[in-house]
Amino acid sequence: DAGVIQSPRHEVTEMGQEVTLRCKPISGHDYLFWYRQTMMRGLELLIYFNNNVPIDDSGMPEDRFSAKMPNASFSTLKIQPSEPRDSAVYFCASSQTPDRGRRDTQYFGPGTRLTVL
Amino acid sequence: DQQVKQNSPSLSVQEGRISILNCDYTNSMFDYFLWYKKYPAEGPTFLISISSIKDKNEDGRFTVFLNKSAKHLSLHIVPSQPGDSAVYFCAASPLTGGYQKVTFGTGTKLQVIP
Repeated sequence: DAGVIQSPRHEVTEMGQEVTLRCKPISGHDYLFWYRQTMMRGLELLIYFNNNVPIDDSGMPEDRFSAKMPNASFSTLKIQPSEPRDSAVYFCASSQTPDRGRRDTQYFGPGTRLTVL
Repeated sequence: DQQVKQNSPSLSVQEGRISILNCDYTNSMFDYFLWYKKYPAEGPTFLISISSIKDKNEDGRFTVFLNKSAKHLSLHIVPSQPGDSAVYFCAASPLTGGYQKVTFGTGTKLQVIP
């Protein structure tokens, strides 16, 4: 399997512009997660989906952030309008429902480094 | 409000010695703990985990210890190797309320000096 695929790997944009980050989870995985990594806060969970349905978006910082999962093999994280403080590395991860009594681990993509000027 | 805390942002260890990475948590609902390792320009990868019903889990050179009363866990790497140089994230998930909702710490950067 190719693993979790994210695009683009790097994005540089100007304040006020719309940014769309993309993710393809591992085939067969029914959970998808979006994280943001910063020095101050480490890895923060923004939102996660189960079977394409958003389960918990309490980590989404503001209304400027939105995420969708139109099908089992694709998800987007959109920031509109972007601000310099959104500069961070954004990771997508996926996992599958584990067997009863077990916990499955998450598989991370390589991340998208976002710079907002 | 950091529910998972890694108070040491960095650690340097000589090759062959033991590396000890520490993690503290505040949420009593956490019952499953994980360590992830991250190399530059890559995503984190799972390393080792421990359930709250245990106090130790070992996998090769890596051992995780859990002290529930102190809400503290640690990762021991013995012996340390240069390839272990990476950022290590401690993480925790709850028994209820969505066990998939994993909370990560801020990470500790380990440098193993040859």
